Amino acid sequence: AQSVTQPDIHITVSEGASLELRCNYSYGATPYLFWYVQSPGQGLQLLLKYFSGDTLVQGIKGFEAEFKRSQSSFNLRKPSVHWSDAAEYFCAVGGGSNYQLIWGAGTKLIIKP
Amino acid sequence: KAGVTQTPRYLIKTRGQQVTLSCSPISGHRSVSWYQQTPGQGLQFLFEYFSETQRNKGNFPGRFSGRQFSNSRSEMNVSTLELGDSALYLCASSLASSVIPGQFFGPGTRLTVL
Repeated sequence: AQSVTQPDIHITVSEGASLELRCNYSYGATPYLFWYVQSPGQGLQLLLKYFSGDTLVQGIKGFEAEFKRSQSSFNLRKPSVHWSDAAEYFCAVGGGSNYQLIWGAGTKLIIKP
Repeated sequence: KAGVTQTPRYLIKTRGQQVTLSCSPISGHRSVSWYQQTPGQGLQFLFEYFSETQRNKGNFPGRFSGRQFSNSRSEMNVSTLELGDSALYLCASSLASSVIPGQFFGPGTRLTVL
């Protein structure tokens, strides 16, 4: 079955600290992987995506993610978070001729001043 | 380039009514997808249209329907509204015929069913 697991519902980090949000997936075909961010009352914004090639992907707002096929993971990282990063983050997988994304449940990021 | 626009942004309806939501994709995008987002179920795929054809449909009852026009604008309709239909409905557009390029989302329509 195709699925995406984000094991952390909430994560709290101090401003300026590093961040890692976990994402594990189960997908039958070659996965295309995405991270999106959703601020309160807003739609979803694409942070970064992985299709092939270099397994370390750079995105917007200083985020990066690393694809690890052996671990079926696509974790999102940021070296130093800012208060404006407080939002909900979603990992998603799609691919091949599939026209839909399979979504994780999301991780809410809380920033401590 | 203007982003994905959705109208209306907020809607309040009562049970049994029907509702139509509209989505205008980014100029040049031909793929439009619809998602329902609720606190309990998260993000769930409704359907996807490309060049006026529905190519994929999620696991929703027939009360949920959609269409796409020749200018790529899309509408979704929910008939006989139920309380459980209260949700944020998100529209996403994509340049090509699959999810590969990544989808661009609109701000959503918040539907409340009383």
